[in-house]
Amino acid sequence: QSALTQPASVSGSPGQSITISCTGTSSDVGNYNLVSWYQQHPGKAPQLMIYEVSKRPSGVSNRFSGSKSGNTASLTISGLQAEDEADYYCCSYASSRTWVFGGGTKLTVL
Amino acid sequence: EVQLVESGGGLVQPGRSLRLSCAASGFTFDDYAMHWVRQGPGKGLEWVSGISWNGGTMGYADSVKDRFSISRDNAKNSLYLQMNSLRVEDTAIYYCAKGRGRSTTWDFDDWGQGTLVTVSS
Repeated sequence: QSALTQPASVSGSPGQSITISCTGTSSDVGNYNLVSWYQQHPGKAPQLMIYEVSKRPSGVSNRFSGSKSGNTASLTISGLQAEDEADYYCCSYASSRTWVFGGGTKLTVL
Repeated sequence: EVQLVESGGGLVQPGRSLRLSCAASGFTFDDYAMHWVRQGPGKGLEWVSGISWNGGTMGYADSVKDRFSISRDNAKNSLYLQMNSLRVEDTAIYYCAKGRGRSTTWDFDDWGQGTLVTVSS
């Protein structure tokens, strides 16, 4: 159960697009279409932004999109806004009824 | 509106036990799997444990296996986490999270605000 690998930080200017990668193994990300992404603002509980690799829960902006290729999943945020500044975590099912999170990525909107 | 309210956190000495609770409302509790996720001070999220809708299937992170036990009482709309042999590294905010479906293979779509557990002598 090793944590998925995410960049520690990414940044972008308002209106730009950014992509956060999430690298796992063939035992988790590469083996299941059960990758989700969570947004967490300081002092707040996480919020589901993407599930099953690329699906958006109702109420989540279509500026958020997800994809996967092999053992790496990605979250793309287009039309960056100040309110998008937060920590983002990927998460994958990892078999045997267990889940694994990424280390988290701090998004800074310049 | 889904509401998940954790309780039971506090300061505990290493080696001691603590039991966390999560009171659920706003949805049909016994239709969904439930999970515990923790976050150490200044650290990332770590999945701890999950339990299926009827309690028949459970999973644990290696870091807590054989020390923590998850359970639920569908009659009381409540989720529990029994934590034994606590270690300093178990210090974290513990979140209760609702699965999107009945089995533990569904991800987590609603979260509580968390309860802080501090393990220190």
